[in-house]
Amino acid sequence: DAKTTQPPSMDCAEGRAANLPCNHSTISGNEYVYWYRQIHSQGPQYIIHGLKNNETNEMASLIITEDRKSSTLILPHATLRDTAVYYCIVRPSNTGNQFYFGTGTSLTVIP
Amino acid sequence: EAGVAQSPRYKIIEKRQSVAFWCNPISGHATLYWYQQILGQGPKLLIQFQNNGVVDDSQLPKDRFSAERLKGVDSTLKIQPAKLEDSAVYLCASSAHADTQYFGPGTRLTVL
Repeated sequence: DAKTTQPPSMDCAEGRAANLPCNHSTISGNEYVYWYRQIHSQGPQYIIHGLKNNETNEMASLIITEDRKSSTLILPHATLRDTAVYYCIVRPSNTGNQFYFGTGTSLTVIP
Repeated sequence: EAGVAQSPRYKIIEKRQSVAFWCNPISGHATLYWYQQILGQGPKLLIQFQNNGVVDDSQLPKDRFSAERLKGVDSTLKIQPAKLEDSAVYLCASSAHADTQYFGPGTRLTVL
């Protein structure tokens, strides 16, 4: 079962930062936090993942709290093409890399 | 680098018919996954292969669903006979090690 909680929907103005929260209060010490997004009629797309430290790549930044019970995905300058469903996933480290998707956050970027 | 390929992209069948989906993973990826995504929900894992062996098929409805990955590369997922509730998008993903999964575009199945 998915062990994450995300708001069902969010809006963000184009050009502004989109901050997507995720609660994973039961995360274990060796479990990674992964973020994927799914644009309409496409397969999920990998964005970023992290264990303890904050991470940044060309797509986004991932901020993980010190107690690891929550995280925030940051899209620094949202564009209309970022409109998608964003999934926060905790990957168990002892079950063969299985991902459990919840229902995610539907992000709408508004012109 | 080519991504995960799936075919067909769309399929419409009547209930009780059979259907098969094909997946070609990213070259060199040992692990292959099939997911079912019902409208409005997140993907749900059906089966996971490591090379040509099954790692986990606990969520696969084995009375009607089957999957194989005979040579450890391509995979097929079959439904026989299909039910109305099988209408969904079937996603294939692959990963090199126990880490990031890369997804294909999916096959949208409609059962009438």
